[in-house]
Amino acid sequence: KQEVTQIPAALSVPEGENLVLNCSFTDSAIYNLQWFRQDPGKGLTSLLLIQSSQREQTSGRLNASLDKSSGRSTLYIAASQPGDSATYLCAVRSGGSNYKLTFGKGTLLTVNP
Amino acid sequence: TAGITQAPTSQILAAGRSMTLRCTQDMRHNAMYWYRQDLGLGLRLIHYSNTAGTTGKGEVPDGYSVSRANTDDFPLTLASAVPSQTSVYFCASSDSGRDYGYTFGSGTRLTVV
Repeated sequence: KQEVTQIPAALSVPEGENLVLNCSFTDSAIYNLQWFRQDPGKGLTSLLLIQSSQREQTSGRLNASLDKSSGRSTLYIAASQPGDSATYLCAVRSGGSNYKLTFGKGTLLTVNP
Repeated sequence: TAGITQAPTSQILAAGRSMTLRCTQDMRHNAMYWYRQDLGLGLRLIHYSNTAGTTGKGEVPDGYSVSRANTDDFPLTLASAVPSQTSVYFCASSDSGRDYGYTFGSGTRLTVV
C-alpha cells in the first residue's frame, strides 16, 4: 500500500526566505507526482505535475524535484512571500484500476511579513 | 473558466436524511473522483469513475453511492447520513491514463447533526 509522508507538518519562515518542503513515498512504482496548494476553507490548486520520467518541473518561483528510486520529492519556494502562506499537499499517482492518487497530509506554511 | 463545479458549497443535514452532492466538469475528462478531507486523516478516496457508465469503490465507500450517467456529471449520494460523515467533500477529474494530473473542485462542507 502506497504511503506518502510530508515533513515538516508545519513551517514558519520570514518573508524573503528560500524554503524546501519534503515529500516521501513508500512505493517507487509511481506514474507521476503532483504538488497542490490549499488555502484555508478552499479547494486544491495544482502547482506542478512531474512525470515519473522527469527529474524536475519549474513554475515561477516554484521548483519541484523527483527522485523516484529513493521515493522522494521536494518543493522549493524561492523568495517566499506572505501570499505563499497555505497548506502544500503532495500526491502520487500509482498503479491499480483507477491510477489512484495518494495524498500526504500536507505542510502548513506560514510566511511572516 | 473551465473546471469543476460543486454544489452546494455547504450544508447542514439532519442525521438519517439523504442528500446528493453535485459535481459537474466541463473539461471532458473521462475519470472523476470523490474524496473526503478530515483533520488529521487527510484526503481519502470514496468512489471513482474511469469513464461514463462505470464506477468503483475507493478507500472509504461505505454509506455513499455514486452514478456516472454521462461524462460531465458525477453525483455523490448519502442515503442516510450519520454524524461521522461530517467532512469536506471534494470532487476531482482527470484525463484517462496514468500521465495526467488531477483537477479539483472547491469542495462541499457537510455537517451532519
